[in-house]
Amino acid sequence: AQTVTQSQPEMSVQEAETVTLSCTYDTSESNYYLFWYKQPPSRQMILVIRQEAYKQQNATENRFSVNFQKAAKSFSLKISDSQLGDTAMYFCASALYNQGGKLIFGQGTELSVKP
Amino acid sequence: SQTIHQWPATLVQPVGSPLSLECTVEGTSNPNLYWYRQAAGRGLQLLFYSVGIGQISSEVPQNLSASRPQDRQFILSSKKLLLSDSGFYLCAWRTFDSPLHFGNGTRLTVT
Repeated sequence: AQTVTQSQPEMSVQEAETVTLSCTYDTSESNYYLFWYKQPPSRQMILVIRQEAYKQQNATENRFSVNFQKAAKSFSLKISDSQLGDTAMYFCASALYNQGGKLIFGQGTELSVKP
Repeated sequence: SQTIHQWPATLVQPVGSPLSLECTVEGTSNPNLYWYRQAAGRGLQLLFYSVGIGQISSEVPQNLSASRPQDRQFILSSKKLLLSDSGFYLCAWRTFDSPLHFGNGTRLTVT
C-alpha cells in the first residue's frame, strides 16, 4: 500500500530565508509520480511541483525545488527567498501509474512565513 | 482549457437528511475523477475514484456513495447524513500524465 508521511506538522521561516519541508513515502512500485501541493487559507489546492520517479534530475519551479532521494524514498521541498504569500498548508503526495492514478496525501505541514 | 466546477460551495444539512454534491469537468475527455475529504484542515482522504462511466472504486467504507452517470460528471451522495460526515469535500480530475486538478471544494456542516 502507498503511504506518505510528513513529520513536521508546523514550521515557520523568516521572510527571504530558505526553508525545507520533509516528506517520506513508501511504495513497492517502481513507476510513480510525486507532488507537492499548497493550500492557502482559501483552501484552494494549488500544484507547486511534481517529479516523475524515473527522472534522476530534481524538479525545479522558480523558488521551489525538490530533493528526490529514490533509494531513501524521500522527497523534500525547498522554498528559497520565502515570501509572505507562501504561508499555507503544504501537502506531499504520491501516485502510481496504475490503480486509477489516485494520489495519496500526507498529513500536511503548516508553514508560516514571518515578516 | 480544462476547468472543473464543484457545487455547492457551502452546505448545512441536518442529521439524517440526504446529500448530493456534484462535480463536472470541461475541456477534457475520459478523465479519472476523484472525491476527497479533508477534516479539520489536515490531510486529504481519498473516498472514491472513477476511471470511466459507471466505474466507481471505494477507498473507505462509509455512509457515502459515488456515481458517474456521464463521462465528465461525478456525484457524491448519501441517503442519511451523520455528524461525522461534516468536512471539506474536494472533487478532482487528472489524466495519465497530468497532475491532479481540484475544484474549489464544498464545506459541509451536518447539524
